[in-house]
Amino acid sequence: KAGVTQTPRYLIKTRGQQVTLSCSPISGHRSVSWYQQTPGQGLQFLFEYFSETQRNKGNFPGRFSGRQFSNSRSEMNVSTLELGDSALYLCASSLLYRGSIGYTFGSGTRLTVV
Amino acid sequence: GEDVEQSLFLSVREGDSSVINCTYTDSSSTYLYWYKQEPGAGLQLLTYIFSNMDMKQDQRLTVLLNKKDKHLSLRIADTQTGDSAIYFCAESHYMKTSYDKVIFGPGTSLSVIP
Repeated sequence: KAGVTQTPRYLIKTRGQQVTLSCSPISGHRSVSWYQQTPGQGLQFLFEYFSETQRNKGNFPGRFSGRQFSNSRSEMNVSTLELGDSALYLCASSLLYRGSIGYTFGSGTRLTVV
Repeated sequence: GEDVEQSLFLSVREGDSSVINCTYTDSSSTYLYWYKQEPGAGLQLLTYIFSNMDMKQDQRLTVLLNKKDKHLSLRIADTQTGDSAIYFCAESHYMKTSYDKVIFGPGTSLSVIP
């Protein structure tokens, strides 16, 4: 059974650019959540999608957006990149939309903004 | 507000037991989780416990929940060098007007000394 797949694994972007990260959940999982992980702030919740609808959103500026497709694959987009956006972006999928029995995480996309 | 706290570092000798502690503030927490993150990887769900349980055991792992004190602990018996990783405590709960999100602690870095 394939796990959660995130692409790309590594990304280097310049300030002001935009970036799109992709996440393919485990087959059958309809909930996808995104987290930002940094040494200083730890794991910060970005948003959660279920059945193509954003169900929950964290406290991030509008430059951070996402979407989910009918096959449950999800993308997140960050526009006008800032140096502080450098982080590991983790995607997690779950079977129950409430995430109640825990997430399965991908390996993450390491974004470096220079 | 929602907050999960953990000590940041723990060092133990191989073969000893490790106890990682966590406190949370949200009394409406429904599920509490322990995740493990190895270098360069995403988070792996180790175990979870429902808020109406006091204890859960799974092979070398024992989770204890003191709901009155909002204290969660993870005990790893016979700690091995392969257990060296960051351990995250997390909680989630039902929200009246929205859906669960999972709140993570800052993570405890466990170092196992051979």
